Amino acid sequence: DAGITQSPRHKVTETGTPVTLRCHQTENHRYMYWYRQDPGHGLRLIHYSYGVKDTDKGEVSDGYSVSRSKTEDFLLTLESATSSQTSVYFCAISGSQVGNTIYFGEGSWLTVV
Amino acid sequence: QKEVEQDPGPLSVPEGAIVSLNCTYSNSAFQYFMWYRQYSRKGPELLMYTYSSGNKEDGRFTAQVDKSSKYISLFIRDSQPSDSATYLCAMRAATSGSRLTFGEGTQLTVNP
Repeated sequence: DAGITQSPRHKVTETGTPVTLRCHQTENHRYMYWYRQDPGHGLRLIHYSYGVKDTDKGEVSDGYSVSRSKTEDFLLTLESATSSQTSVYFCAISGSQVGNTIYFGEGSWLTVV
Repeated sequence: QKEVEQDPGPLSVPEGAIVSLNCTYSNSAFQYFMWYRQYSRKGPELLMYTYSSGNKEDGRFTAQVDKSSKYISLFIRDSQPSDSATYLCAMRAATSGSRLTFGEGTQLTVNP
């Protein structure tokens, strides 16, 4: 198994509150990603990072921010959670060599009520 | 229109059947193709990875890519109840770094 740990694994929060999800890797991989998975949409990229302090937006980045202060940690923050952000969030990692593929964490289930 | 189309199923087959899972795509820049398996309430795990047209075999699994038709397939021979999962196709272009575009996933149930 890829050394990826997500926390918390489950969270229920109220609309309007901030939420931070953490991804920790032990593989020293350069790239880290946050995806969300929803019925009818599959996996969609929220943000990704290609190095410490280097991040970029994915296809569904509105309402989310990220930070990467260390190689091993990638944080996803919902500044003011909305019900539309109820989802399963997956962190993923990959190396920097051409052809490297992506390995996923176990997921974080977030419910916004 | 989605760049990657995948029939979400559900697909139900008897144990021992040959399963065919398929994806079509519209972006001709896609060059790398993957299949992930996802068990319920788990993260996706890489099953097959290929970057050329043709077939790639790994045990009971065969990945097939037809770039001219923009069509990829995953075949599972002698399917087992333990193969019951959601199968996601994924692909990326050479210029997109490691960012993947996923299909919606096909939910497969293999009945004993």
